[in-house]
Amino acid sequence: AQSVTQLGSHVSVSEGALVLLRCNYSSSVPPYLFWYVQYPNQGLQLLLKYTTGATLVKGINGFEAEFKKSETSFHLTKPSAHMSDAAEYFCAVSSGGGADGLTFGKGTHLIIQP
Amino acid sequence: DAGVTQSPTHLIKTRGQQVTLRCSPKSGHDTVSWYQQALGQGPQFIFQYYEEEERQRGNFPDRFSGHQFPNYSSELNVNALLLGDSALYLCASRGTGRNTIYFGEGSWLTVV
Repeated sequence: AQSVTQLGSHVSVSEGALVLLRCNYSSSVPPYLFWYVQYPNQGLQLLLKYTTGATLVKGINGFEAEFKKSETSFHLTKPSAHMSDAAEYFCAVSSGGGADGLTFGKGTHLIIQP
Repeated sequence: DAGVTQSPTHLIKTRGQQVTLRCSPKSGHDTVSWYQQALGQGPQFIFQYYEEEERQRGNFPDRFSGHQFPNYSSELNVNALLLGDSALYLCASRGTGRNTIYFGEGSWLTVV
């Protein structure tokens, strides 16, 4: 069985500040890890993914995440927040080489203060 | 190149009724999955279809069933609707051997 825990249902940062969204996972096999973003009344858009290889992965819109096996974490960061980053962010894990269905966390609502 | 498309976008049903939701995968994709996203929650995996067969299933009752057609499109059927079935239903697709999953905009189902 696999699971995802996202710490903090709501995170508020000032525009221009560092964004840090936390994700911890559990998986009995090497995980494939994903971050998705969801804007109001829309579907999910892939930000970035970790499969194998380099543990620091870069995604769209200036986001990046680092896979830390020892900490079972895959935290999402962005150096400087923009108002357009306000959205819901979901961390997800998949096993089976990414072929299995995704298990999502409950999401973190990112609020950007002007 | 069209992405994952779903229909209808919104619908309202009465308890006990049945509903069918439709999904066309992204061009070149042959694997389709369905997810249920209740308000304020993360998506939950319902099932996955490949080569017209259900390959994997999440923790959902048999009231939830699906189908995949030869052109890879898919349907999600929910029977005997309950109020708790009200949610956003997301379809996702990926290509064979690929691990990037693309999502549609979803179908909002309200059960009254």
